[in-house]
Amino acid sequence: ETGVTQSPTHLIKTRGQQVTLRCSSQSGHNTVSWYQQALGQGPQFIFQYYREEENGRGNFPPRFSGLQFPNYSSELNVNALELDDSALYLCASSLDGYQPQHFGDGTRLSIL
Amino acid sequence: KQEVTQIPAALSVPEGENLVLNCSFTDSAIYNLQWFRQDPGKGLTSLLLIQSSQREQTSGRLNASLDKSSGRSTLYIAASQPGDSATYLCAVNLASGYSTLTFGKGTMLLVSP
Repeated sequence: ETGVTQSPTHLIKTRGQQVTLRCSSQSGHNTVSWYQQALGQGPQFIFQYYREEENGRGNFPPRFSGLQFPNYSSELNVNALELDDSALYLCASSLDGYQPQHFGDGTRLSIL
Repeated sequence: KQEVTQIPAALSVPEGENLVLNCSFTDSAIYNLQWFRQDPGKGLTSLLLIQSSQREQTSGRLNASLDKSSGRSTLYIAASQPGDSATYLCAVNLASGYSTLTFGKGTMLLVSP
């Protein structure tokens, strides 16, 4: 059974650029959640996708957007990057929202 | 708004000690609570999940308890080892609306040989 995989592992961007992060969910999982973890903080919920529809959203601006594909993999897109967007971005998948969430190793995004 | 607090923020102990990590949450209407381990620069590894109807869960040297009415959970680690050094995060899943995990800031644990 393949776990949650995220790509790329690390990414460096400059302010104002756009970025796309990718997540492959664990086999059989139809729900994907994205979290942002700043240094020294706990992860903060960005949004969740269930069967290709956005199912809920945290307190993040519209420049954070996402997609879920028919195979339940997902993308997180961030436009107009700001210095404060520097963080570890974590993806988690689950059988549904209330089942245990399984996390990937994250993408470390650095904004210069 | 659900808030999760973890005490202490950091803990340093010698190998072999038993220790307790604390987690408190403000909204007792939770569906479940999870404890995670995070190694530096890595993702989260789920350690234990306690449903709201349960009082405790055990896995090996780990025991997690839940007192929903008082908004508290503890993670007990027996006979600590240097390999237990990591950050431990507590997260609650609310019972209403769509599910999402609300995390504390974590407890950074260092176990010295």
